Amino acid sequence: DQQVKQNSPSLSVQEGRISILNCDYTNSMFDYFLWYKKYPAEGPTFLISISSIKDKNEDGRFTVFLNKSAKHLSLHIVPSQPGDSAVYFCAAIRSGGSNYKLTFGKGTLLTVNP
Amino acid sequence: NAGVMQNPRHLVRRRGQEARLRCSPMKGHSHVYWYRQLPEEGLKFMVYLQKENIIDESGMPKERFSAEFPKEGPSILRIQQVVRGDSAAYFCASSPIYGTTLLGEQFFGPGTRLTVL
Repeated sequence: DQQVKQNSPSLSVQEGRISILNCDYTNSMFDYFLWYKKYPAEGPTFLISISSIKDKNEDGRFTVFLNKSAKHLSLHIVPSQPGDSAVYFCAAIRSGGSNYKLTFGKGTLLTVNP
Repeated sequence: NAGVMQNPRHLVRRRGQEARLRCSPMKGHSHVYWYRQLPEEGLKFMVYLQKENIIDESGMPKERFSAEFPKEGPSILRIQQVVRGDSAAYFCASSPIYGTTLLGEQFFGPGTRLTVL
C-alpha cells in the first residue's frame, strides 16, 4: 500500500528552466511533508518541508506547494542547475504520535542538462 | 563535525550467513532510525531506537532481524540467515531529540548496500 506516490520515475530539464516534481499522498492523517535529495552512494539529505497549515514554503530556489484538498504537493526548483541532478524523495509524517516515522515515495530522478 | 557514519558501505553475504550493519549517529544525537530501500522502492522505516531502548520496531520483519543501540558503541542492525530478498540498501538516520528540532528532520548516513548471493 503506497501511501506516498511519486508517479514520475524521472524528469529531465534544461539548465535555467523550472523543475517541477510532484507527489501525491493517500493518508489524510499526514500533516507534515518533507523533500529529501539523494546523490548516488550517499544518504538522503533534507531539502525543504511544509506543514499542512500552510500551502507554500520557499527557501531560495526551492519552493514547495501543498494542496490539501487534492492531497498533492509539488517541489519547484528555479532556476534549475546541473548540480541539482539527483533523486528527490517526497516524505510524509504524522505530527502526533509517531512523528519520527517518515513515509517515503519511490523517488524521482531529476536530470538537469547544461 | 562528522555526520552519521555507517559501515561497512558494501557487504556481500551468502544465503544463510549473518549480516551485521553498524551505525554511529552524529555527535550529540541519541535517537537512531533504520530504513531499508529495496530496489526500485522508496525508503521504508524499520526501527527507532534510543540508547539501550527499542522504541518502535513496527517496520522490522518479525523473524531474523534485530536491532540494538547499546550504551556505548554504535547501533547494530543484525540479519540472521540472510536470504536473497534481504538484498537492499540499509540507511541509518539520527536526530538530537525526540521528533527532532525540525519536525521529522533526520540526518542520514550513506547507507550499507547488502548483497546476498
